[in-house]
Amino acid sequence: KQEVTQIPAALSVPEGENLVLNCSFTDSAIYNLQWFRQDPGKGLTSLLLIQSSQREQTSGRLNASLDKSSGRSTLYIAASQPGDSATYLCAVKGLTGGGNKLTFGTGTQLKVEL
Amino acid sequence: DTEVTQTPKHLVMGMTNKKSLKCEQHMGHRAMYWYKQKAKKPPELMFVYSYEKLSINESVPSRFSPECPNSSLLNLHLHALQPEDSALYLCASSQAPPDRLAYNEQFFGPGTRLTVL
Repeated sequence: KQEVTQIPAALSVPEGENLVLNCSFTDSAIYNLQWFRQDPGKGLTSLLLIQSSQREQTSGRLNASLDKSSGRSTLYIAASQPGDSATYLCAVKGLTGGGNKLTFGTGTQLKVEL
Repeated sequence: DTEVTQTPKHLVMGMTNKKSLKCEQHMGHRAMYWYKQKAKKPPELMFVYSYEKLSINESVPSRFSPECPNSSLLNLHLHALQPEDSALYLCASSQAPPDRLAYNEQFFGPGTRLTVL
């Protein structure tokens, strides 16, 4: 059974700092990995999707990397801003287990302070 | 239109009520999903519809009844819920869902905050 873990569970940084969020998964047989952002009480916003054959994806100040063999992904946020404060979730789509199931990580709650 | 919409935003119901949650997308996606999310927890998959047919039911109690009347709409009918069913219910959609299709980004709606009294 796929298990996805995110470290740290919570993070507080000053504005302008570059930061890295970590995601690890136990079963490397994945189709892809997706990073989401969730504001309190709101839905999920898709940030980046990395296919299993890719090493990284970039969107603006965000860069996500994937090392499938070691079961790890990182989300790099450059020059953090207070508006980046949210919970960040990673999710993997496995090759087995049927259908379009995403297995979500436990999330990292980020706070960027002025 | 790259949006998934959900109504209502908030719902309060008693344990004997019958209510429905609605989800709509106009991106031509043929897979739609219901998730349940408790506070400070990741979303948990409940149901998956592929081409308007139920393809996954994650052993969800029968008091939750999904329905997909057409390719753009997804409903979740609620009956005789328990207070522990209070949660944020999220709908999502993705492109044509054959398992072998690797590129299958899921897009989520804003959710319905459900409170069962």
